[in-house]
Amino acid sequence: EDKVVQSPLSLVVHEGDTVTLNCSYEVTNFRSLLWYKQEKKAPTFLFMLTSSGIEKKSGRLSSILDKKELFSILNITATQTGDSAIYLCAVSVGGILTGGGNKLTFGTGTQLKVEL
Amino acid sequence: DGGITQSPKYLFRKEGQNVTLSCEQNLNHDAMYWYRQDPGQGLRLIYYSQIVNDFQKGDIAEGYSVSREKKESFPLTVTSAQKNPTAFYLCASYAKHTGELFFGEGSRLTVL
Repeated sequence: EDKVVQSPLSLVVHEGDTVTLNCSYEVTNFRSLLWYKQEKKAPTFLFMLTSSGIEKKSGRLSSILDKKELFSILNITATQTGDSAIYLCAVSVGGILTGGGNKLTFGTGTQLKVEL
Repeated sequence: DGGITQSPKYLFRKEGQNVTLSCEQNLNHDAMYWYRQDPGQGLRLIYYSQIVNDFQKGDIAEGYSVSREKKESFPLTVTSAQKNPTAFYLCASYAKHTGELFFGEGSRLTVL
């Protein structure tokens, strides 16, 4: 069974702090790893990672994948109250049919709260 | 605008009743997914469909059924066999070129 584990489960920090969220996985036929941010309802896409060691960056957020050790981290620097959300990690495993998508398995998420 | 529409947003039902949640997309995506989210938890995969007229069970398919008769539509039926149906249900479609999942706004089902 495919498994995605995120840590910590929850985290409270002060504005300006830097946080690191972890995602480890055990799956067969890995294709990619995705990070999402969920504030109230629909998760919004942050990053997709397919290659080891290549950092993806968007403003204060960055992420990197290690395919040998089977994990990814999401870093947020200079946190703001608007960063408060659940951060979800998902792993995509190879599809059977061409033209379609793959099976995506999500972790339990990390609930981040940023206080003033 | 392209996107995914789920309806209804909120639904109340009595125990023993089947309910169907609607999911429609106009993004021309082949693959669609249904997830369930319980408070304080991540998303668990119920069913997914990679192409019209085909679908596969996810990790928690028991008590649910789906159909995929049209590319745009992937309705989910929560049957009376589902023991704990009260949850937040999210539908998504997959952009194969970017690998991104696009989500609907969700349907919150409460069984009384």
